[in-house]
Amino acid sequence: GENVEQHPSTLSVQEGDSAVIKCTYSDSASNYFPWYKQELGKGPQLIIDIRSNVGEKKDQRIAVTLNKTAKHFSLHITETQPEDSAVYFCAASHTGTASKLTFGTGTRLQVTL
Amino acid sequence: DAMVIQNPRYQVTQFGKPVTLSCSQTLNHNVMYWYQQKSSQAPKLLFHYYDKDFNNEADTPDNFQSRRPNTSFCFLDIRSPGLGDAAMYLCATSSRDANEQFFGPGTRLTVL
Repeated sequence: GENVEQHPSTLSVQEGDSAVIKCTYSDSASNYFPWYKQELGKGPQLIIDIRSNVGEKKDQRIAVTLNKTAKHFSLHITETQPEDSAVYFCAASHTGTASKLTFGTGTRLQVTL
Repeated sequence: DAMVIQNPRYQVTQFGKPVTLSCSQTLNHNVMYWYQQKSSQAPKLLFHYYDKDFNNEADTPDNFQSRRPNTSFCFLDIRSPGLGDAAMYLCATSSRDANEQFFGPGTRLTVL
C-alpha cells in the first residue's frame, strides 16, 4: 500500500518569512496530492492540490510542486502570517471510484510575530 | 452554502455505552468517509460508502459500524466504546469522479 512521509514535524518561522513542508510517497500509481490545513478543534480544510500531470500549482501565497520521478511533493507558503499557524497534512491517492487518501504525519507550523 | 455537517460537535459517553455520531452533507456527493483522528496524529480511514456500497478498512475494529440511509446522511455507531476510542471523528465526502475530499468539523468523543 501507499506510504507517505512528511517533514518536518514542527516548523517555526517569523511572520513574513517563507515556510516549506516536504512529503515523499511510495506508490508510483498515486496521481493526486492534496494539502490540508487543520486548525485546533476543526476538521481538515483542503487548501491546494496537484495532479501528476503538472509539476507546479500556485494559489496566491501558497504553491505546491511535484517531482514524479523522485516521488516527492512540497508545500510552499510565502509571506507567512499568524493565521497560517496550524497543522498541515499532505496526502496521496490515485484516481478511482472512491479516492482513498493516505495522509502524511502532519507538520505543526507556528508563525511568530 | 454547501457543506458537511457533523453532530454533535462534542460527545461524552461512558465506557461500554453505545454511541452514535452523525454526518450530513448538502454537496450531493456519492462517497462518504469516516475517519478517526487521535491527538497529534493523521486521520485514519475507518470505512467509506460509495453510494450504498459499504467498504470497511481491514484494520477497523468490529466495534465500529456505519449506516447510510440515504445520500445525505451517514452514521457512525460505536457499540461498546473503550477508553482507546476517545478521538476526533471526521466525516468527509467526495463526488464520484473527483478526488477532492471535503471534511466536516468533526465530533470529539470522550469516553469516561
